[in-house]
Amino acid sequence: SQQGEEDPQALSIQEGENATMNCSYKTSINNLQWYRQNSGRGLVHLILIRSNEREKHSGRLRVTLDTSKKSSSLLITASRAADTASYFCATDERPGSNYKLTFGKGTLLTVNP
Amino acid sequence: DTAVSQTPKYLVTQMGNDKSIKCEQNLGHDTMYWYKQDSKKFLKIMFSYNNKELIINETVPNRFSPKSPDKAHLNLHINSLELGDSAVYFCASSPSGGNSPLHFGNGTRLTVT
Repeated sequence: SQQGEEDPQALSIQEGENATMNCSYKTSINNLQWYRQNSGRGLVHLILIRSNEREKHSGRLRVTLDTSKKSSSLLITASRAADTASYFCATDERPGSNYKLTFGKGTLLTVNP
Repeated sequence: DTAVSQTPKYLVTQMGNDKSIKCEQNLGHDTMYWYKQDSKKFLKIMFSYNNKELIINETVPNRFSPKSPDKAHLNLHINSLELGDSAVYFCASSPSGGNSPLHFGNGTRLTVT
């Protein structure tokens, strides 16, 4: 079954606006990660948040984690055209292997100039 | 310098053929992975290796055989290719399993005709 489910599947905004993407998962986790994938490229790691953390910031990115609701959100502030990409959340399931990250289906973000 | 490099970038072949994809990382990581991304961008783990030892084999058909000659290399050999094998295959590495970020290669687009 799908561990991570991103919502929405697609999001289109104007440059300068904020973009919020959500991720829900089913099992307990050790950590949750967010990745970006530009068209035709590999995934790039953005941020990792551990299960005992509630919020984390990195530049224009803000990630929250609510383990009671089994959900996370990624906020990109003051978006730029270069932020156009697919965004994925990934989790390690507990019980399970530390060597298996399960990815969601992704949110396709389009930032219009 | 490319951290995780895969070759070839594109692979077009006919059903029934055997092909290999090579992956090398120069990050000194202990863990390497193969992921398959389908046409809907769903990313699914196939294998993970830690220090050349197979850790995860995610119900992948026997036609797929990974080989890790050393920590820096993880190759993927596919026998008797089928139409359903068409996808983008990503190699990735991490310092130590899923508690740390994964570094992805740029993928190999396999097309089976």
